[in-house]
Amino acid sequence: KNEVEQSPQNLTAQEGEFITINCSYSVGISALHWLQQHPGGGIVSLFMLSSGKKKHGRLIATINIQEKHSSLHITASHPRDSAVYICAVSAPDKLIFGTGTRLQVFP
Amino acid sequence: DTGVSQDPRHKITKRGQNVTFRCDPISEHNRLYWYRQTLGQGPEFLTYFQNEAQLEKSRLLSDRFSAERPKGSFSTLEIQRTEQGDSAMYLCASSRDSNYGYTFGSGTRLTVV
Repeated sequence: KNEVEQSPQNLTAQEGEFITINCSYSVGISALHWLQQHPGGGIVSLFMLSSGKKKHGRLIATINIQEKHSSLHITASHPRDSAVYICAVSAPDKLIFGTGTRLQVFP
Repeated sequence: DTGVSQDPRHKITKRGQNVTFRCDPISEHNRLYWYRQTLGQGPEFLTYFQNEAQLEKSRLLSDRFSAERPKGSFSTLEIQRTEQGDSAMYLCASSRDSNYGYTFGSGTRLTVV
C-alpha cells in the first residue's frame, strides 16, 4: 500500500463544474502539499498545508490531520485547469508523492 | 531569480553510456532534492543536500548513481553505464528548509535506447 493515496486517478469534467480530488496518507507528516504538473513535466506548488484550509483564487485545499486526509477543490472549473494534480507529504525532510490525478476539463 | 534551472531538458543516450545532469537551485535555498518520475507515476525521492552535505540517499540510488553539490550551490546527478530502466524524468527541487515550500525545476527527460 502506498504511503500517499489519491483518488480518483482520472477525472473528466465539463467547464464550470465543481471538482474534488482526495488524498489520504498513512505516515506522520509536518506538512501536505498540493502540486500541479502540466505535460512536459514542470511542477508548480499550489498549496502547503499543516492544518485547516487555504484558498487561492478558485482553488481551495483542506486538511484533517486526525483523519490523515486532504482535499483539493476547484470551483468553476476551466479547460486551462487540465493537468495532473499531485498530493505530496513532507515526512519530514523529503516529499513522498501520490501518483497524481489526471484532470481534463472540456468546454 | 529565475527559479530552479535544469540542464539539459532532454537527453537521449545509448545504453552503457554515462550521463550527467545539472541543477541550479534558487540561490538562497539551502536544500536541494533530486527526484525521479516514470510515466504515470508520482516522483520518487532519490537524494537531498543541505548546503554541500548529502544527508540522505534512497535505496533507488544504486552504485551507478552519484550526486554532488560542491560549494552548496548547483548540483550534478551522474548515471554511469545507463540502462533502459533509467529512462525517466529527473526532477530537481529546492527549498529554504523543510518548513517552507518547494520550487521545482522543469526536469531532465532521459531516454536510454
